[in-house]
Amino acid sequence: DAMVIQNPRYQVTQFGKPVTLSCSQTLNHNVMYWYQQKSSQAPKLLFHYYDKDFNNEADTPDNFQSRRPNTSFCFLDIRSPGLGDAAMYLCATSRSTGYTEAFFGQGTRLTVV
Amino acid sequence: AQSVTQLDSHVSVSEGTPVLLRCNYSSSYSPSLFWYVQHPNKGLQLLLKYTSAATLVKGINGFEAEFKKSETSFHLTKPSAHMSDAAEYFCVVSGVSNDYKLSFGAGTTVTVRA
Repeated sequence: DAMVIQNPRYQVTQFGKPVTLSCSQTLNHNVMYWYQQKSSQAPKLLFHYYDKDFNNEADTPDNFQSRRPNTSFCFLDIRSPGLGDAAMYLCATSRSTGYTEAFFGQGTRLTVV
Repeated sequence: AQSVTQLDSHVSVSEGTPVLLRCNYSSSYSPSLFWYVQHPNKGLQLLLKYTSAATLVKGINGFEAEFKKSETSFHLTKPSAHMSDAAEYFCVVSGVSNDYKLSFGAGTTVTVRA
């Protein structure tokens, strides 16, 4: 049973055209994360929510934004995708931010043309 | 300075032989440590975790890891590799910094020869 679900699995968008990736969870976890993973690299944290509190990483570009309308759903908005934003985007959840494991979704592979 | 170091970027083993993936960390706190596996175009799956209980941790699919505080290591092993073990493996540490974020190693690619 999938616990962290990302849609779509594959997304193709045009250069500069806004795109939204979605994530839902059935775990009722407090924390939801968005990671960007480029080829042959480790995931890089973009931001996370603790409940409704938004926490942005210092080096996350302004082009990336997020929304969490309720506990179960979280969205990643890329306002003007560039070629360098092509990557795997991973959503993850955890009960809290300290010492607990994260549960990852299957990821969304974003291609920018 | 890197907080989580995976000592091998690529490991190649024959099917049925042991697998060893090495991970060292640095932390000023008492960390929790995890190993995740990622198959191509998939998300990360938790293999096992250490959270200050037994130092020898058993995980899924026959993997285990031993936490050695004196060596600041958390190496992952499996006695007998299977073709399905071919994947990317990440050592992940929580508690490296006081904000308790997850810190990822660079990853180790495992290939399994028939």
